[in-house]
Amino acid sequence: QKEVEQDPGPLSVPEGAIVSLNCTYSNSAFQYFMWYRQYSRKGPELLMYTYSSGNKEDGRFTAQVDKSSKYISLFIRDSQPSDSATYLCAMCAGGGNKLTFGTGTQLKVEL
Amino acid sequence: GAVVSQHPSRVICKSGTSVKIECRSLDFQATTMFWYRQFPKQSLMLMATSNEGSKATYEQGVEKDKFLINHASLTLSTLTVTSAHPEDSSFYICSASDNVYEQYFGPGTRLTVT
Repeated sequence: QKEVEQDPGPLSVPEGAIVSLNCTYSNSAFQYFMWYRQYSRKGPELLMYTYSSGNKEDGRFTAQVDKSSKYISLFIRDSQPSDSATYLCAMCAGGGNKLTFGTGTQLKVEL
Repeated sequence: GAVVSQHPSRVICKSGTSVKIECRSLDFQATTMFWYRQFPKQSLMLMATSNEGSKATYEQGVEKDKFLINHASLTLSTLTVTSAHPEDSSFYICSASDNVYEQYFGPGTRLTVT
């Protein structure tokens, strides 16, 4: 079993839809949770990071962490074609900041 | 802020030659730099972690004599792929960090070995 599981998609939604991206993990030592966006042939871009359970909002993006269920989510409101990319969840235990990545979910927002 | 550059962005080399990839943090001092490899439609696989002035720590299965990492300063790390073979063809991405959990990624280098 992988430490971090993420549905690879692809996920196709119409413009304006609410997108829900999810990851589950098995290592209870993970304390920091991140979401990255990666466009084709580019390096990942940090979107959001959270430490504690609960929600964190930044513009159209909301990150949600449920440590009791070992489940994290990223919600994208009013999705735009420019949101089409691969979204990677990542997490680490803290010390040494070695990240463990999910496989990434490919998202396509269509006009 | 938090800009990381990589050079070159793309390189093609012949089998048996060595290739050096540079990773620079442009507007912050990176205490730690990471090197990843990414195959098409797959996630990032950590190859090694390097701290300035120290030897790199390689992940299991990564040959340290083949993938030489030098972290000469707080803003520069290099990855040298020695005696490259076609199976080394991949997308190599570096990241840099100056705190516990935030990593900022470079744009990546696409290596093709013919």
